[in-house]
Amino acid sequence: EDQVTQSPEALRLQEGESSSLNCSYTVSGLRGLFWYRQDPGKGPEFLFTLYSAGEEKEKERLKATLTKKESFLHITAPKPEDSATYLCAHGSSNTGKLIFGQGTTLQVKP
Amino acid sequence: DGGITQSPKYLFRKEGQNVTLSCEQNLNHDAMYWYRQDPGQGLRLIYYSQIVNDFQKGDIAEGYSVSREKKESFPLTVTSAQKNPTAFYLCASSTGSGEETQYFGPGTRLLVL
Repeated sequence: EDQVTQSPEALRLQEGESSSLNCSYTVSGLRGLFWYRQDPGKGPEFLFTLYSAGEEKEKERLKATLTKKESFLHITAPKPEDSATYLCAHGSSNTGKLIFGQGTTLQVKP
Repeated sequence: DGGITQSPKYLFRKEGQNVTLSCEQNLNHDAMYWYRQDPGQGLRLIYYSQIVNDFQKGDIAEGYSVSREKKESFPLTVTSAQKNPTAFYLCASSTGSGEETQYFGPGTRLLVL
């Protein structure tokens, strides 16, 4: 069964304290690994798409990387405004369906 | 500005009542999706549609119905058969090629009176 697991469930950081979020997956035919940011009471906001092992993408303080079985979202010198829930999802068929992990809730304290 | 709109932002349902959630997009996307989000469970797919006049059940379709009469619109009806409808409902759309990014609307929170 295709599955996506994110860890940790929750992460508290001090402002400037870099860390990484993990997304591991079991997939029969990966068709894109997606990262989203979700603020409370809002819809997910697209961050990155990765398609092949070794691929990396960056946006401001965030960098996403991909291996054959997992993806990492690295957060460098985070600020309080980076506090949110980060969701990862993978596509596993030509229907465009996405399977989501449960998310990691990040809190960055000033 | 192109995007996805959902209405209403909050919706209250009485016992035995059917309610309809609206989703409209002006991105000219072919594919549209409905997800349900519960605390600690991530997003679960209810229904999806890849073209007009066609739609498929997702993982948790029981108690829900949809229609896709226009490319830009994909309304979701929560029927009285859905016994636990309280959740955050998210609509998304994509170009429909199969590997593309899905973009989400702002969501509708459904509560039971």
